[in-house]
Amino acid sequence: EADIYQTPRYLVIGTGKKITLECSQTMGHDKMYWYQQDPGMELHLIHYSYGVNSTEKGDLSSESTVSRIRTEHFPLTLESARPSHTSQYLCASSPRALGTGELFFGEGSRLTVL
Amino acid sequence: RKEVEQDPGPFNVPEGATVAFNCTYSNSASQSFFWYRQDCRKEPKLLMSVYSSGNEDGRFTAQLNRASQYISLLIRDSKLSDSATYLCVVIQRDYGNNRLAFGKGNQVVVIP
Repeated sequence: EADIYQTPRYLVIGTGKKITLECSQTMGHDKMYWYQQDPGMELHLIHYSYGVNSTEKGDLSSESTVSRIRTEHFPLTLESARPSHTSQYLCASSPRALGTGELFFGEGSRLTVL
Repeated sequence: RKEVEQDPGPFNVPEGATVAFNCTYSNSASQSFFWYRQDCRKEPKLLMSVYSSGNEDGRFTAQLNRASQYISLLIRDSKLSDSATYLCVVIQRDYGNNRLAFGKGNQVVVIP
């Protein structure tokens, strides 16, 4: 089993609240990613990091922000949540360049904004 | 046109039968190909890579057709535990960086 953890697993909050989704991995992977997935839809990359102090936006525009102060930790923050942010957020890491295609995913954080 | 296209199904398969499905990709420069498995409300997990010559892993066979730009997955002797969504994943190289593109998945339901 991969050692990558996300909290909270489920979150229901009201509009306008600030939220942080936590992601930690104990595998020492340099590369970490955040994906967004709606039911029955494909995963979309919203943020990635290739190491400490490195963060980039992904393919899908997102109002969220990320930080990478420690190798093992890659939190995602929404300053003011809206119903359109309701989705599943999946954190992943990989030990090397993506050529191997292997990502280790956390169990996901399912966010509902009322 | 989407980068990776899959027929979402569901593919209803009697237990013990064989099921096969394809995934097409739009970028002819795509480099590497993979199948991931995602159980209902769970995270995706790598099932297998797809090699040009085709490859097997137990009851699973993956094939790549570069000329027609599709990959396929075949499951023999389907088990109830094979019920899941199978995601096609393609690696493309954009501006010096590798990037993964995911399909929506093929949902397989194995029926007793």
